[in-house]
Amino acid sequence: KAGVTQTPRYLIKTRGQQVTLSCSPISGHRSVSWYQQTPGQGLQFLFEYFSETQRNKGNFPGRFSGRQFSNSRSEMNVSTLELGDSALYLCASSLAGRQETQYFGPGTRLLVL
Amino acid sequence: GQQVMQIPQYQHVQEGEDFTTYCNSSTTLSNIQWYKQRPGGHPVFLIQLVKSGEVKKQKRLTFQFGEAKKNSSLHITATQTTDVGTYFCAGPGYGGSQGNLIFGKGTKLSVKP
Repeated sequence: KAGVTQTPRYLIKTRGQQVTLSCSPISGHRSVSWYQQTPGQGLQFLFEYFSETQRNKGNFPGRFSGRQFSNSRSEMNVSTLELGDSALYLCASSLAGRQETQYFGPGTRLLVL
Repeated sequence: GQQVMQIPQYQHVQEGEDFTTYCNSSTTLSNIQWYKQRPGGHPVFLIQLVKSGEVKKQKRLTFQFGEAKKNSSLHITATQTTDVGTYFCAGPGYGGSQGNLIFGKGTKLSVKP
């Protein structure tokens, strides 16, 4: 089975712009979670989607949003980018979420200038 | 809310030395998972422990789950340069802002040849 894929792998944006990141989960996996990873902060949970519905949401501002499509592919969007949004954005998929093993994609490294 | 704490944050060892990272939870865990993230990579699942006092081995890696199921450890015997990376433990989240898994901040291991 192919692993989790994320596009793009690298992105440079300027403050105030918006960005959309994409994640394709492992075939058959219906849960997709997104994390922000910055040095010293570890993995911070953004949100989880299951069957096209946002099931859980972390403590991030409303500028961070996401969605999931019927084929389980997911996108996350960050509007009005700030310098502090520079990070590695990881998505992880699992069969149904719920404390299962998560399979991470390679991540999208976002740099905001 | 539930927290998962890891110590130490960093560990520098000489190749051949042993290494241990500790994970502690504020609440009893039904299970604990361990992940490894190589430099420039993404977290990869290593193992899951479920039973109180459980010990599992993977070659030079030994994983333990405490009797009270509130702590866990990962011990690497005779480290090699291939062990370099950040090791995360993760306990079950209960949805909401925590998501499905709560990750510790990780222990970054560097190995000097």
